[in-house]
Amino acid sequence: GDSVTQMEGPVTLSEEAFLTINCTYTATGYPSLFWYVQYPGEGLQLLLKATKADDKGSNKGFEATYRKETTSFHLEKGSVQVSDSAVYFCALSGAYNTDKLIFGTGTRLQVFP
Amino acid sequence: GAVVSQHPSWVICKSGTSVKIECRSLDFQATTMFWYRQFPKQSLMLMATSNEGSKATYEQGVEKDKFLINHASLTLSTLTVTSAHPEDSSFYICSARTGTPSGSNEQYFGPGTRLTVT
Repeated sequence: GDSVTQMEGPVTLSEEAFLTINCTYTATGYPSLFWYVQYPGEGLQLLLKATKADDKGSNKGFEATYRKETTSFHLEKGSVQVSDSAVYFCALSGAYNTDKLIFGTGTRLQVFP
Repeated sequence: GAVVSQHPSWVICKSGTSVKIECRSLDFQATTMFWYRQFPKQSLMLMATSNEGSKATYEQGVEKDKFLINHASLTLSTLTVTSAHPEDSSFYICSARTGTPSGSNEQYFGPGTRLTVT
């Protein structure tokens, strides 16, 4: 079945450092790919998404590119801030069941000043 | 906009009792709501999908008689864990989707409810 694998955390960075959180997926067809962020005490929020190969999703300085050839959707940010500290979830919705979101295990990011 | 709340945020109950968790869309009408379960250090797992006024559709392996889902209005869905046991202890998260003609499939998530069964 479809699945998502993302790097374990926590990821600990200093402010202004470069961030990469790896995400790879297994799916039939052409899924849509998402990154969600969960700040402490809040619900998951959609950060960015990409719906087809080579699409780049971007929001709030974060970017991820849908790479069909490597089945990856790595999250990057050039300069993280303390306020980016949160848990990040990679997810997909299948080509044949767009309702169902399949999540990775989440990666906690801690940014220190 | 697009805020989803859950109540309670944290509940402890004794084994054998039932507990109800509410999920509300505060500023939009949710034609579809989803219930997820998350174990520590694991991903969110979809339990069921409910459409307003219809019976919920449960994922394989989820006991529908144990996890009762009601979606009686466009702003409220409830999950009742019946005859709870310690293995039901988990973090339960709901999400809601508008299903508007604009076609957005985006799900808006609640903050979750932590259930501990003693």
